Amino acid sequence: TQLLEQSPQFLSIQEGENLTVYCNSSSVFSSLQWYRQEPGEGPVLLVTVVTGGEVKKLKRLTFQFGDARKDSSLHITAAQPGDTGLYLCAGAGVTGGGNKLTFGTGTQLKVEL
Amino acid sequence: DARVTQTPRHKVTEMGQEVTMRCQPILGHNTVFWYRQTMMQGLELLAYFRNRAPLDDSGMPKDRFSAEMPDATLATLKIQPSEPRDSAVYFCASGLGPPTGRGISYNEQFFGPGTRLTVL
Repeated sequence: TQLLEQSPQFLSIQEGENLTVYCNSSSVFSSLQWYRQEPGEGPVLLVTVVTGGEVKKLKRLTFQFGDARKDSSLHITAAQPGDTGLYLCAGAGVTGGGNKLTFGTGTQLKVEL
Repeated sequence: DARVTQTPRHKVTEMGQEVTMRCQPILGHNTVFWYRQTMMQGLELLAYFRNRAPLDDSGMPKDRFSAEMPDATLATLKIQPSEPRDSAVYFCASGLGPPTGRGISYNEQFFGPGTRLTVL
């Protein structure tokens, strides 16, 4: 079973602060995705990383895939209240199975004014 | 705009009753997923279909849960009989995957708004 542990589980910060969320596993993934989920809605994809060591930027969000493709991080610069939500990483296995994903345990982020 | 729809959005029922949740995937998507989300377990994959054929339902309790795709525009998840421990938010998601079911797809999964199920 492939498990994805996220840390921290909860994070409450002030507007303008920086933060990093981590997603770790002992398994290798062919790709890793990050989703954000807001209350009462389903998760929405933010980014997909495929290559070990890959870094992708989406405005104030920076995503990195570990060299060994076992871990990933999400860094948010100058957080805003609109960044509030549940952040989920999700990995696709290397042994096939189409686009079946294993989701991480989640990080609940709250950004206050 | 194209989006996954789910009905009902909320369902409250009593233990032992049958529950049917419905999902309309995005037109043209060939893969449909059913997930369950709880505070304790997070987001768990129950089952998924490719071109209406079940590919993996290992996450689903077989004795009471069943998932089907009567046609390409409708996926159903049924619980019979329901139990209080089934209380959760059930999400349907659709996407584009390899047509044969083999190989890796990096494509996005588009989630519906979920059905919040409460079993008393």
